[in-house]
Formats: sequence, C-alpha cells, structure tokens
Amino acid sequence: SAVISQKPSRDICQRGTSLTIQCQVDSQVTMMFWYRQQPGQSLTLIATANQGSEATYESGFVIDKFPISRPNLTFSTLTVSNMSPEDSSIYLCSAGQGFAGELFFGEGSRLTVL
Amino acid sequence: DAKTTQPPSMDCAEGRAANLPCNHSTISGNEYVYWYRQIHSQGPQYIIHGLKNNETNEMASLIITEDRKSSTLILPHATLRDTAVYYCIVRLLNYGGSQGNLIFGKGTKLSVKP
Repeated sequence: SAVISQKPSRDICQRGTSLTIQCQVDSQVTMMFWYRQQPGQSLTLIATANQGSEATYESGFVIDKFPISRPNLTFSTLTVSNMSPEDSSIYLCSAGQGFAGELFFGEGSRLTVL
Repeated sequence: DAKTTQPPSMDCAEGRAANLPCNHSTISGNEYVYWYRQIHSQGPQYIIHGLKNNETNEMASLIITEDRKSSTLILPHATLRDTAVYYCIVRLLNYGGSQGNLIFGKGTKLSVKP
C-alpha cells in the first residue's frame, strides 16, 4: 500500500489569495489525482496530475484556477488561486500503481476561505 | 457522472452481516467494480475491487452478479467502527488521459447500531 501525506491539513485563508497544497507519496506511483469534497457532498475529480506534462482537467475545472504540478513520481502540488468562499472545501490527493490496482487517498486538506 | 446507483442509507445491527447493494447496469466489459468507504473527516479508504469473479479479503467480500449489472459488498460482522459512507464505483480498465480515475457517486451511509 501507499501512504499519502498532505500539507497543510487545514488552513484559513483570505479572499483573493492563493494556497498551494502538497501531496507526498512514500513510494513511486504511476497515477496521481486531485479531488474536491464540498461540505456534505461526495468527492469530485478535479484533475489527473501527469508526471512531466500538463495536468488533465475535468469539466468545470481550469488550469488558471487550479494549477497542478507533478515534478516526479512521488510528489504533486495543487494551487487554489484567487480564492473565494465558494472554494471552501476539503481537497484530497489520490495515488496508485497500475490502472487496475488500488488507489489510495490522503487525509485531505481542509480549506476555509473568509 | 457516476455510473452506479446505491441506496442513500442503511442500518445494520452490530455483529450482523452488512449487505450493501450497488446497481451498475451500464457497466462495460473493461470496467472494474471498486468499493471505498469514508469515515467522517477522513480520506476514503479502499475496501475491495473485482472484475467478474467474487472477491474476498480481510475486510469484506464482493459478490458480482453473472451479468455484472449489480454487486453486493458484504461486511461479515459489522462493528460500530464500520459506520461510514460506502461508495461503489466502476473504473475503466485502460489508462490514458482521464481514464483510470475514480468517479464517486453519493454512496450509502451505513449506520451500525448497538
């Protein structure tokens, strides 16, 4: 199994600022994904973090708002840019090996925007 | 959109088997059935997955019907700690671009009662 660590675990931010969330995996993985979970809701996929190339975004999510980096096989960042209160959510990193294997999740980063 | 249908909630008595149904009538031949659960304020936890054969591990059993249009997750002896939201997900077999990720539906909220 893979252990996924996210930083920060929680933060309170001001409207208009940006926050970068880090995701560190304890082993090399082929796939990394970023999800958002709004209060009382299920998880929504934001994007696939591709190593060495631009992330693949799902409908409704754009690179200018959620830039993603993945410099190697164990690390990725998600930035939430120009934040508004509607961005208050839990952001989760997911990673795994192989397309038919398990995907593991971090504990999430709880973001509150005032 | 999620390709599965689950009851929104279920109750189970502690020590009894919890049987969680899932309908995935539009599943295609190259899609696996995955189950995850999310305990309050934690990241989703992988439980089990399968393609067409029944599967069992230390946490649960997965029963997939012969036509693969539905499945049942079985927790053989439910405990209070099994209270969580359980997600049934179909996942594409072939990885490329946005394939290989997990698309979450609303899940089933399982309440295990003493």
